[in-house]
Amino acid sequence: GAGVSQSPSNKVTEKGKDVELRCDPISGHTALYWYRQSLGQGLEFLIYFQGNSAPDKSGLPSDRFSAERTGGSVSTLTIQRTQQEDSAVYLCASSPETGHGYEQYFGPGTRLTVT
Amino acid sequence: GENVEQHPSTLSVQEGDSAVIKCTYSDSASNYFPWYKQELGKGPQLIIDIRSNVGEKKDQRIAVTLNKTAKHFSLHITETQPEDSAVYFCAASIYGNYQLIWGAGTKLIIKP
Repeated sequence: GAGVSQSPSNKVTEKGKDVELRCDPISGHTALYWYRQSLGQGLEFLIYFQGNSAPDKSGLPSDRFSAERTGGSVSTLTIQRTQQEDSAVYLCASSPETGHGYEQYFGPGTRLTVT
Repeated sequence: GENVEQHPSTLSVQEGDSAVIKCTYSDSASNYFPWYKQELGKGPQLIIDIRSNVGEKKDQRIAVTLNKTAKHFSLHITETQPEDSAVYFCAASIYGNYQLIWGAGTKLIIKP
């Protein structure tokens, strides 16, 4: 079946511009995560959506970052007034259950380059 | 909070040899330990996981061992093949917490 998809796959933007990154999770998956992966680094948690509950935004690095999930499915991550340090790969993952100990299914990521 | 350290950062082994990647965690309340494999240009993919009520788990050429007393767990890959070349991440999770705490990753290189 279809996996997690993300768009665009690559995004080059000028410093100061806003960007929107999209994630389409696996159908029926209730949990959705956003991560940031800098070059050669591990995964940095950004935000977690669980069904209809309020999201856990504790990992968002600044108020320039926001995310929403509409209708419990598609999610968008928005970065306002991009900075060079925002350059990274942004990964989205979904999981069939909320809570502990369930596999996360990752998309291929969006590579963001801020010039 | 929980912290996961992963070693080595890069591991180069001859094809056919074994590879071992080690992780340590800080919070004794952690009880779920997955390993993910990330190939170039792709997102990570779960390859094996272990829960704290088990000391070892195997799946064909890969195995994971857990030492709760020492708070470390390891990934073992035997008879390595070129397709094993990738970045491997360990992670830990505390019961009741949906967040995974990730290691920094190990780049595994299989030399022909």
